[in-house]
Amino acid sequence: GAGVSQSPSNKVTEKGKDVELRCDPISGHTALYWYRQSLGQGLEFLIYFQGNSAPDKSGLPSDRFSAERTGGSVSTLTIQRTQQEDSAVYLCASSLASGGAFLIQETQYFGPGTRLLVL
Amino acid sequence: GQSLEQPSEVTAVEGAIVQINCTYQTSGFYGLSWYQQHDGGAPTFLSYNALDGLEETGRFSSFLSRSDSYGYLLLQELQMKDSASYFCAVSLSGNTPLVFGKGTRLSVIA
Repeated sequence: GAGVSQSPSNKVTEKGKDVELRCDPISGHTALYWYRQSLGQGLEFLIYFQGNSAPDKSGLPSDRFSAERTGGSVSTLTIQRTQQEDSAVYLCASSLASGGAFLIQETQYFGPGTRLLVL
Repeated sequence: GQSLEQPSEVTAVEGAIVQINCTYQTSGFYGLSWYQQHDGGAPTFLSYNALDGLEETGRFSSFLSRSDSYGYLLLQELQMKDSASYFCAVSLSGNTPLVFGKGTRLSVIA
């Protein structure tokens, strides 16, 4: 596709339920990132994929959060036993990750996000 | 830990110039990026500085001083559509997640 897409765009769930958020990166982009943004706040890094592997999971807030990526493309972020503090916008971004020198910005292209509300 | 500081809010008049500062303390540094985010929208890339100096792209310019761990975004000839949040972000190393500041909410008034 032309850009990063995410689904669903909005999700309302009850506390304790599991949710799955999906991200379709730009075709050919090998790096994929998940961030979380609470209302009026900056972007909090969650997890990063290079291909299908996740070299950096340090941002996952708890073991209720997990993510996978298959075929070097689509990624799913799963939140188990959701809590009210999980309510936020979950943003996915992708980049070429061509391994260029530091002078070259590996621009991250963001999707529109999934707005999650846990009641 | 990683720390990026930027003002939370800035208000400026249409047609004027505004500068949004960003200071950082991070464990590594490859470069400083700026992203724009309109309400309800996704962040979009504006600029990237890896070397000291000023980068100009149309009405927007970005500056970096590595020795001072400081950068800024300069917006000229402000338009109402420039009202948005602006985030600075540090690349700690190549192809790694960005560390974002909390954002500066810019309001352009007539």
